[in-house]
Amino acid sequence: GIQVEQSPPDLILQEGANSTLRCNFSDSVNNLQWFHQNPWGQLINLFYIPSGTKQNGRLSATTVATERYSLLYISSSQTTDSGVYFCAVVSNDYKLSFGAGTTVTVRA
Amino acid sequence: DAGVTQSPTHLIKTRGQQVTLRCSPKSGHDTVSWYQQALGQGPQFIFQYYEEEERQRGNFPDRFSGHQFPNYSSELNVNALLLGDSALYLCASSFRTGGLSPLHFGNGTRLTVT
Repeated sequence: GIQVEQSPPDLILQEGANSTLRCNFSDSVNNLQWFHQNPWGQLINLFYIPSGTKQNGRLSATTVATERYSLLYISSSQTTDSGVYFCAVVSNDYKLSFGAGTTVTVRA
Repeated sequence: DAGVTQSPTHLIKTRGQQVTLRCSPKSGHDTVSWYQQALGQGPQFIFQYYEEEERQRGNFPDRFSGHQFPNYSSELNVNALLLGDSALYLCASSFRTGGLSPLHFGNGTRLTVT
């Protein structure tokens, strides 16, 4: 099956800092989504981004499908941004695969 | 507009027992998929239901089965529970199968097997 690798595994930020999370995938995909899982386990859909660039407030994402990677940018981080960020891809056999996640801790 | 709802929120079962988890999709969605998330790991795809049929399945044994009802709600059944089945079980809904539309997740059911 398709392999999804996220980096870094852990990230500690000071409030107000910017950061970039990366997602690499091993094969062509039909779509890609970024999720944020809060400390209570709830998965929130951040971006549905099979290609191109999207922005939503302080967050933005870019997917370069031909090079098999996606980036999630967090600007001016806040403590509420803490949690685990997952990248998930749908392969050509229509199965969804998640990466292992990046755990982000934002300190006040 | 209600999002994806799952019940129960927590469940404790004993090895060998059977469990049923329930999911109601977001309004307007017709496809439901289930995921198992062990502590500290990413969610693992179990299966997806569309038009009351299982359409795709991940690498899970036959002890894991499901059902989708005409109102698009779904159940996940796990038989002969093992200690390793302890996890957060997440349900997601979307419009149409194939993973070609955004997924929306419920808050999950935390299953503990003792």
